Amino acid sequence: ETGVTQTPRHLVMGMTNKKSLKCEQHLGHNAMYWYKQSAKKPLELMFVYNFKEQTENNSVPSRFSPECPNSSHLFLHLHTLQPEDSALYLCASSQEAGGPTQPQHFGDGTRLSIL
Amino acid sequence: GQNIDQPTEMTATEGAIVQINCTYQTSGFNGLFWYQQHAGEAPTFLSYNVLDGLEEKGRFSSFLSRSKGYSYLLLKELQMKDSASYLCAVRDQHYQLIWGAGTKLIIKP
Repeated sequence: ETGVTQTPRHLVMGMTNKKSLKCEQHLGHNAMYWYKQSAKKPLELMFVYNFKEQTENNSVPSRFSPECPNSSHLFLHLHTLQPEDSALYLCASSQEAGGPTQPQHFGDGTRLSIL
Repeated sequence: GQNIDQPTEMTATEGAIVQINCTYQTSGFNGLFWYQQHAGEAPTFLSYNVLDGLEEKGRFSSFLSRSKGYSYLLLKELQMKDSASYLCAVRDQHYQLIWGAGTKLIIKP
């Protein structure tokens, strides 16, 4: 139990579907992150929210749309995805973004497969 | 560009010692993290180094040399449960985490 819960754990969707990934953290943190993890590649940072404000958007295609209604919840809305978007999507949280010694705490991820 | 290099895969024997190396080239340096990730699970924080030297935490130790852009994670008395991927990440001058691709460690009996 890492204190960061992601749902669903697995998701299979067609390219024309719309779905959402959910992340909830119970650690009292103020920063939340979305990462994409593909096999044998480094973690790719997608979005960062610090105190509910988006502070990073690393050139992510618009078919990925984040939402952070409060410091404990983070969503990733998906639509018209491509096969290359199949990956593990990890959510993380930390006390605040860029805090000097603060590690990020990760959820178990959502394994996304695009048909 | 910014780059983190780690071996893709390593194999070691139960009860032995293994050293996983990480070299980095980043714009600035504000600390280095090691994470462990079991298959299908969340990465979990292992260690943090910001000053040169060795940090020891039970069976795991992490070393940093900033002048060489080099770190290693040392695992002693290996157990089967140590089979996992080990991720190295460096915080750059903008406090962004730059990640390596991870080292898959296989422990054999």
